[in-house]
Amino acid sequence: KQEVTQIPAALSVPEGENLVLNCSFTDSAIYNLQWFRQDPGKGLTSLLLIQSSQREQTSGRLNASLDKSSGRSTLYIAASQPGDSATYLCAVSPRGGTSYGKLTFGQGTILTVHP
Amino acid sequence: EAGVAQSPRYKIIEKRQSVAFWCNPISGHATLYWYQQILGQGPKLLIQFQNNGVVDDSQLPKDRFSAERLKGVDSTLKIQPAKLEDSAVYLCASSFRGPDTGELFFGEGSRLTVL
Repeated sequence: KQEVTQIPAALSVPEGENLVLNCSFTDSAIYNLQWFRQDPGKGLTSLLLIQSSQREQTSGRLNASLDKSSGRSTLYIAASQPGDSATYLCAVSPRGGTSYGKLTFGQGTILTVHP
Repeated sequence: EAGVAQSPRYKIIEKRQSVAFWCNPISGHATLYWYQQILGQGPKLLIQFQNNGVVDDSQLPKDRFSAERLKGVDSTLKIQPAKLEDSAVYLCASSFRGPDTGELFFGEGSRLTVL
């Protein structure tokens, strides 16, 4: 059974800092890995998707890496801003047929960026 | 492009009552998912539809939960009778496995409180 763990559970940083969020998973037989952002009382917004054959993806100030063999992914946020404050969730999708939508999520990292 | 639409956004009921949630996926997305997110946890898949057929409902508590996707577009998730532990956010998502990315797009969610 796939298990996803995110460290740290919460992180508070001053504005402008670069930061790293960590995600680990137990079963390396994944189809892809997605990082999501969730604001309080809102749904999930997809930030980055990394296919199992890829090593990293970048979007603006965000960079996500994937090391499938070690079961790890990191989300790097450069020059953090107060608007980045949210919960960040990592999710993995299993290989095989139509199962790619059965995401297994971590519990999330609550990020607070102080002005 | 319109996103995934869900209603109602909030619902408060007493235990043993019934409730229904509605979802309209992104136009052209054949696959639709219902996820349950309990406070402080990552979302968990309840049911996955491909067009109007069920692909995976292994984690759906079938004694009280039911879902349908008539005509392969909109979907309804029903809970009857509700229990206290059903208090959660119910997230609908859709995907179009075009270039095989498997990316999921989520709605804003329907928050259920069972008293």
